[in-house]
Amino acid sequence: AQSVTQLGSHVSVSEGALVLLRCNYSSSVPPYLFWYVQYPNQGLQLLLKYTSAATLVKGINGFEAEFKKSETSFHLTKPSAHMSDAAEYFCAVSSLMNYGGATNKLIFGTGTLLAVQP
Amino acid sequence: NAGVMQNPRHLVRRRGQEARLRCSPMKGHSHVYWYRQLPEEGLKFMVYLQKENIIDESGMPKERFSAEFPKEGPSILRIQQVVRGDSAAYFCASSPQTSGRSGEQFFGPGTRLTVL
Repeated sequence: AQSVTQLGSHVSVSEGALVLLRCNYSSSVPPYLFWYVQYPNQGLQLLLKYTSAATLVKGINGFEAEFKKSETSFHLTKPSAHMSDAAEYFCAVSSLMNYGGATNKLIFGTGTLLAVQP
Repeated sequence: NAGVMQNPRHLVRRRGQEARLRCSPMKGHSHVYWYRQLPEEGLKFMVYLQKENIIDESGMPKERFSAEFPKEGPSILRIQQVVRGDSAAYFCASSPQTSGRSGEQFFGPGTRLTVL
């Protein structure tokens, strides 16, 4: 079975500081991994995804993530935090089962709430 | 191109009533997924549907919950005889037919159900 673990349910950084949100996955096959962001009372927006191409993936809003197979990790980083980055971030892995090529269910971590202090 | 639409955005029901949550996928998308987000938790998969077919309902509670995606109209998640434990945010996502396992799912804004 596949699973995702996000270490740290709450992370607080100062504006301009490095953002590091941790995600570890478990999968018996090469995974497809995603980071989503959720602003208060809104739906989820895709930040970036890993689909077995480049291991360093760049996303929107200056975020990037590096896939490390040896560590089974897909941590999300941003060099300099902005106040507007305050939100909840979810790491997800796409499930194993394949229904004729269609997208399958996502398995989410429990989320990390990022606070940015002025 | 409008995104995934969900309505209502907020729904209040008393215990024992029925809740109907609607989801209109993005134009051109024929796959719909429902997820539930309980307070302080991540999203949990409930059901995956294509037009007129339930493909995977492994995350649906065995009783009181049902889902459909008719040939015409939105997908409906129906909860009968709601209980307080059903209070949660319910998110719908859609994807195009050819997106594959690596493809993105596009999420709606969610319906926040409160059971009194």
